[in-house]
Amino acid sequence: GDSVTQMEGPVTLSEEAFLTINCTYTATGYPSLFWYVQYPGEGLQLLLKATKADDKGSNKGFEATYRKETTSFHLEKGSVQVSDSAVYFCALRGNTNAGKSTFGDGTTLTVKP
Amino acid sequence: DGGITQSPKYLFRKEGQNVTLSCEQNLNHDAMYWYRQDPGQGLRLIYYSQIVNDFQKGDIAEGYSVSREKKESFPLTVTSAQKNPTAFYLCASSMGTEAYGYTFGSGTRLTVV
Repeated sequence: GDSVTQMEGPVTLSEEAFLTINCTYTATGYPSLFWYVQYPGEGLQLLLKATKADDKGSNKGFEATYRKETTSFHLEKGSVQVSDSAVYFCALRGNTNAGKSTFGDGTTLTVKP
Repeated sequence: DGGITQSPKYLFRKEGQNVTLSCEQNLNHDAMYWYRQDPGQGLRLIYYSQIVNDFQKGDIAEGYSVSREKKESFPLTVTSAQKNPTAFYLCASSMGTEAYGYTFGSGTRLTVV
């Protein structure tokens, strides 16, 4: 079945550092890929998405590129801020599995001033 | 503004009691989902519904029940059969096709007292 593997956290960075959170997936067919962000005590928010190979999703300075050859969708940001501290979830959604999404376990990011 | 509303934000349950968590959306989404999130953990799917008057069990449906009588509403009942119900519950909705991500509510934190 479908699966998503994220790099284990927690990740701690200083403000203005470069961020990479790795995400790889296993799926049949050609799924869409997503990153969600969850701030403490809140629900998840869709951060960005890509629906086909080589697409780049971007939002709020975050980027991720759909790499079919390496089955990856790594999240990057050039300069993190304290306000980026949150839990980040990688997910896929395909046309199998009854259209349900498969989520990774989440990666906790803490940014220190 | 369109969105998905969960209520209440905090809920306390006594041993042996059934409680119902509300989830309402005005996004005209076909599909709705219930997830459970334990501290420091990822998301686990409880139930999902792709159309009115139909729903399917997720990975951890035991001790829970749902209904989908209206497109906008997908309430979750935590029954007394659920032995460890203390958790953060998230409702989500989406269009039916894989290109769309999920919209999440802000969650209900359930505590057994």
